[in-house]
Amino acid sequence: DAGITQSPRHKVTETGTPVTLRCHQTENHRYMYWYRQDPGHGLRLIHYSYGVKDTDKGEVSDGYSVSRSKTEDFLLTLESATSSQTSVYFCAISPRGQGSPLHFGNGTRLTVT
Amino acid sequence: ELKVEQNPLFLSMQEGKNYTIYCNYSTTSDRLYWYRQDPGKSLESLFVLLSNGAVKQEGRLMASLDTKARLSTLHITAAVHDLSATYFCAVDIGETSGSRLTFGEGTQLTVNP
Repeated sequence: DAGITQSPRHKVTETGTPVTLRCHQTENHRYMYWYRQDPGHGLRLIHYSYGVKDTDKGEVSDGYSVSRSKTEDFLLTLESATSSQTSVYFCAISPRGQGSPLHFGNGTRLTVT
Repeated sequence: ELKVEQNPLFLSMQEGKNYTIYCNYSTTSDRLYWYRQDPGKSLESLFVLLSNGAVKQEGRLMASLDTKARLSTLHITAAVHDLSATYFCAVDIGETSGSRLTFGEGTQLTVNP
């Protein structure tokens, strides 16, 4: 799986609580991404990172923040989870930059009750 | 805003038959990817298409790209049950050395005996 580990794999949380998802890579790749997958929408980009402390918003960034203090870790935080954020979250890396496919982690299934 | 549309969204076909999945996109790009996803699993890269007229083949699947028409096709030849999965196309509009993929909704393919 291109050295990507997502944790936790499953999480159930209550509305209004903060949640942090972790993506860890072992290969020192510069670019990392967070996507969410929902039926009828495919995958949508939440945030991405192009280096330590360098991040930018994607298509559906409202309600999410990210941090990347080390090359290997990219954290996604839901400051106050809502039911609309129930989804499957995928982290991805770009092993060879533009023109090469993204490699995805195994996903985190998040349920907000 | 880039839009990526796949059709059909659901496809049920018999083993041995041929069919084509279409992927239309709304803005100029010459980087298009096809992924496969099995239920409950991550995404697996199938094809990378990087220029107008690009054609790639792997087993019973063949992908092509027409950048002028903003259209990619995924052709299935003599389908077998193992091809049952959801197929996504994704267009890269990244402006730097990284990739930023916008995905279609996915085509859920079921191959029946």
